[in-house]
Amino acid sequence: DSGVTQTPKHLITATGQRVTLRCSPRSGDLSVYWYQQSLDQGLQFLIHYYNGEERAKGNILERFSAQQFPDLHSELNLSSLELGDSALYFCASSADLGTVSGNTIYFGEGSWLTVV
Amino acid sequence: AQTVTQSQPEMSVQEAETVTLSCTYDTSESDYYLFWYKQPPSRQMILVIRQEAYKQQNATENRFSVNFQKAAKSFSLKISDSQLGDAAMYFCAYFNNNDMRFGAGTRLTVKP
Repeated sequence: DSGVTQTPKHLITATGQRVTLRCSPRSGDLSVYWYQQSLDQGLQFLIHYYNGEERAKGNILERFSAQQFPDLHSELNLSSLELGDSALYFCASSADLGTVSGNTIYFGEGSWLTVV
Repeated sequence: AQTVTQSQPEMSVQEAETVTLSCTYDTSESDYYLFWYKQPPSRQMILVIRQEAYKQQNATENRFSVNFQKAAKSFSLKISDSQLGDAAMYFCAYFNNNDMRFGAGTRLTVKP
């Protein structure tokens, strides 16, 4: 158990709909990262939040948005869903970079999204 | 942007033998971290080993070790005494401050 919790584990929804994926980082971790992994593909970096602020943005579509709340949990919002958005969405967290374990990223088990 | 390249889409090894997975990366930074993650069929991402760029000594975790060549920007993973449970996708990753980038992965098959 990595300590990173993602919900829901599985989600099936129709095209055009909107979903929210939730992530609770490891206790004390300030950074949250979101990744998308399509079938038989590598991990595509979407976005990174640190202590509530956006720090880096990858190949995230305009239909997607994210935020990190004061309690450090994060949500990834996916709207106007298309068939191609079907993927495994990972959340990962890391501690402040100044700590001993700060430079290791721990992954949640992912949220499987199927768009039909 | 930093890029990570894994040139071997698939590798195969006989059980109990040794296999090396390759990874190269591109960066202009001097301080960074490198990781190997294992992704079994369950799709969970499992940290195998990590290397700090400022350390010259290669990291080792039981049967897993790395060959880190900073000047060549190379970071290969050696798996010794391969076991059936080592069969998985292996991803090399580069981490510096604000983001972490992954290679495309190498699918490792272990033959009994």
